[in-house]
Amino acid sequence: GAVVSQHPSWVICKSGTSVKIECRSLDFQATTMFWYRQFPKQSLMLMATSNEGSKATYEQGVEKDKFLINHASLTLSTLTVTSAHPEDSSFYICSARDLDGSSYNEKFFGPGTRLTVL
Amino acid sequence: GQQLNQSPQSMFIQEGEDVSMNCTSSSIFNTWLWYKQDPGEGPVLLIALYKAGELTSNGRLTAQFGITRKDSFLNISASIPSDVGIYFCGSDSWGKLQFGAGTQVVVTP
Repeated sequence: GAVVSQHPSWVICKSGTSVKIECRSLDFQATTMFWYRQFPKQSLMLMATSNEGSKATYEQGVEKDKFLINHASLTLSTLTVTSAHPEDSSFYICSARDLDGSSYNEKFFGPGTRLTVL
Repeated sequence: GQQLNQSPQSMFIQEGEDVSMNCTSSSIFNTWLWYKQDPGEGPVLLIALYKAGELTSNGRLTAQFGITRKDSFLNISASIPSDVGIYFCGSDSWGKLQFGAGTQVVVTP
């Protein structure tokens, strides 16, 4: 299957600072990438859809000014958590859609980034 | 919010037993996907289903897309310790993947 990477795998930061998380599709081009947040013992909740070359689409209740998304190329999307607070501590996971043939509906996930805000 | 109802929430089974879990929805979907997530990792796709009635196997895993297109099940046969993890159903709705709440599987020797 297609490979999606994330960097960093974990990060600890002080309250009020900003953190950038990268999501890369390694062996395919992804015009669309998705960002999810997962709290302990819960399911993945979609935060936003990142489209290459255009603005991201945010889910209801997700602050776009707090969670900045940039999809600068067909293989890279970044999520920046601005002015992070302890309640932003979570597991952030990206996925990328491979539009090649039959795998259109399959989304391949990155390994996740554990963010801890002190 | 989530439209997929996944059950059971958790299962504690002995090695060698079969496992079955399912997802239902009040909405019709065109795709059903089953993922496994290990602790601290992202979900890994196990099986993808695209047609109503489709029955697909992947090793000891078998999944079916319900005829009504509102449900799907996943079976794991002859469970082994490495089957431990959280299994999620997912379905594509208007280009967005929605997940069920997950089924935590614990396998004891």
